[in-house]
Amino acid sequence: GAVVSQHPSWVICKSGTSVKIECRSLDFQATTMFWYRQFPKQSLMLMATSNEGSKATYEQGVEKDKFLINHASLTLSTLTVTSAHPEDSSFYICSASMSGGQSGYTFGSGTRLTVV
Amino acid sequence: QKEVEQDPGPLSVPEGAIVSLNCTYSNSAFQYFMWYRQYSRKGPELLMYTYSSGNKEDGRFTAQVDKSSKYISLFIRDSQPSDSATYLCAMSVYFRNSGNTPLVFGKGTRLSVIA
Repeated sequence: GAVVSQHPSWVICKSGTSVKIECRSLDFQATTMFWYRQFPKQSLMLMATSNEGSKATYEQGVEKDKFLINHASLTLSTLTVTSAHPEDSSFYICSASMSGGQSGYTFGSGTRLTVV
Repeated sequence: QKEVEQDPGPLSVPEGAIVSLNCTYSNSAFQYFMWYRQYSRKGPELLMYTYSSGNKEDGRFTAQVDKSSKYISLFIRDSQPSDSATYLCAMSVYFRNSGNTPLVFGKGTRLSVIA
């Protein structure tokens, strides 16, 4: 089945630093990848949609200069949290889908970011 | 009205019980319906995937979609303590030219199966 690998699984960083999270589709080409954020006991909140080779589409209220998304290939998308602050601490999850939408969306295992 | 409504629970059942989880939605354009299971501090895991209306069965899990009522269900038979997790319904629309829309999730229902 489709597998999405997300790294790191957890990271602690100091305020003001940047953190990069990688999302790879291991056995399929992901034409579209999605980035979500999840607070404790809350559902997933979509941050942005990225299509390979084009700029990401950000949801309302998500700062594109703070959350940089790159989708340079059909198997890799990255989310960089720039100048992180404690309020950016959250669980970040990526998801990928193949073209055709016939196999569902596969999620990565998530990255727990703690900014101190 | 939110696009997808799901009772957050928590829902607690004894081992062996039949569990019924439900979502309602308002957007009639949704075509793909999914159920995900999420354990604490993990990414969601796809359980069931259904296109349009109908039933789908996979082991102890049965998914039902009633597009006329805008209502979807997930049934878990012979529930086990290992089924304790949060169950999220999700749905999307597919456009031929632009591909899949992002998933719209319900809030998730927290299920506890007690041994």
